[in-house]
Amino acid sequence: GAVVSQHPSRVICKSGTSVKIECRSLDFQATTMFWYRQFPKQSLMLMATSNEGSKATYEQGVEKDKFLINHASLTLSTLTVTSAHPEDSSFYICSARYGASNNEQFFGPGTRLTVL
Amino acid sequence: GENVEQHPSTLSVQEGDSAVIKCTYSDSASNYFPWYKQELGKRPQLIIDIRSNVGEKKDQRIAVTLNKTAKHFSLHITETQPEDSAVYFCAAKRAQNTGFQKLVFGTGTRLLVSP
Repeated sequence: GAVVSQHPSRVICKSGTSVKIECRSLDFQATTMFWYRQFPKQSLMLMATSNEGSKATYEQGVEKDKFLINHASLTLSTLTVTSAHPEDSSFYICSARYGASNNEQFFGPGTRLTVL
Repeated sequence: GENVEQHPSTLSVQEGDSAVIKCTYSDSASNYFPWYKQELGKRPQLIIDIRSNVGEKKDQRIAVTLNKTAKHFSLHITETQPEDSAVYFCAAKRAQNTGFQKLVFGTGTRLLVSP
């Protein structure tokens, strides 16, 4: 149980285009979803936290107009990287949690974004 | 906010040896401390976690200890095997008033176990 999927697993796009990444909780309802970015050989950096039906809470330094997060249902959250640039190339990982009192987060397999 | 430091950044051991990775945290209100193993290009996998009301937890070859007073916690792997080679991350979480509980990750330790 507690499986989180991400799609696509890899994406290559041209500079200036937008890319949408989906994160789904397959066998549970995710009340909270998190989006992380991980550069090579670095740690996971939280970008934003979202609760279903609410606006996402962005971490300091993360542009909300550039990284659009939608958490429209209890099983789906999307991250859209708008007007992508080469410096946005990274490994994007989502995680999901059910229930406000639960500690454990379940991570998706990640999406490797390469912006040319 | 919370700050988590992790040492060492790299650790090389021989198969069968023990490995210890240490983390310190800054926020005394943090109450949950998980450890993740991440293989190259893969998702982080939870391997063990500990809550602030417990000082030690063990699961087969893996153990975690927590010193709340000193604000540090450690991962201990005994009888290491080549398949233990990966990057290990510690993390800390504080329950926030808004209910948005977020994990703060350490910088990671690359463990290499040589046969």
